[in-house]
Amino acid sequence: KNQVEQSPQSLIILEGKNCTLQCNYTVSPFSNLRWYKQDTGRGPVSLTIMTFSENTKSNGRYTATLDADTKQSSLHITASQLSDSASYICVVSGYGGSQGNLIFGKGTKLSVKP
Amino acid sequence: EPEVTQTPSHQVTQMGQEVILRCVPISNHLYFYWYRQILGQKVEFLVSFYNNEISEKSEIFDDQFSVERPDGSNFTLKIRSTKLEDSAMYFCASRIRPGPNTEAFFGQGTRLTVV
Repeated sequence: KNQVEQSPQSLIILEGKNCTLQCNYTVSPFSNLRWYKQDTGRGPVSLTIMTFSENTKSNGRYTATLDADTKQSSLHITASQLSDSASYICVVSGYGGSQGNLIFGKGTKLSVKP
Repeated sequence: EPEVTQTPSHQVTQMGQEVILRCVPISNHLYFYWYRQILGQKVEFLVSFYNNEISEKSEIFDDQFSVERPDGSNFTLKIRSTKLEDSAMYFCASRIRPGPNTEAFFGQGTRLTVV
C-alpha cells in the first residue's frame, strides 16, 4: 500500500535554531516528492519538489534531500523564524494509474518559540 | 500571482442538507482536484477532474459526492446529504496540465461544519 510516514509528529524549537524533519515513503512507482508548508487553517503551499534523480534542493532557508534507494527524504530548516511555525507535509506522487495524484503524510507540526 | 480561490471560507450546515463548495482554479490550468482534511488528520484525495470528466476518485468519493465545472471558471464539489463525518477542510487544487511532475496549487480551503 502506498504510504508516506513522517517524523517527528511535532517539534518545538527556539528561534534561530536549525531542525530536520523526516519522511519515509513506500509509494511505487515513484515520480516525485514534495514538501509543503501548511499554516493553521490554510491550504498547503509548496516548498520544494524533487524527482528521482535529484538528491538535494534548496529554497531559501529550506533544504530538502532525497534518497530514492532508501525511500527517505528530509527537510532541513536553517536559522528558524517565528513564521516557520506550521505543519510541514511530505507528499509523494506516483506514475501510471495514480494519474499523478498526491499521497500525503500526516505532517510534522513545528512550533518556533522566541 | 495567480491563485486558486475557494468560497465560502467556512460553511455550517445541518446534517442531511446539501452543500456546494466552490473553487476557481488558476485560469490556464486544465487538471483539477478536491481533497479533504479532517481535523488532526492527513490530507486525503477525493477526486480528480480533467477534460470535463472525472479522471479518478477515491473510496471516500461515494454517491453522495459529485463534481461539476458548470462554466469556464468554476469547479464545484457537491455533497448531497451531509453527514457529521463530512466535517472537514476541503481543498481544491489545480495543475496546468496532467502529469505527476507538474506543480499542484492549492486553495485556502473551505471549512465545512456539519451539525
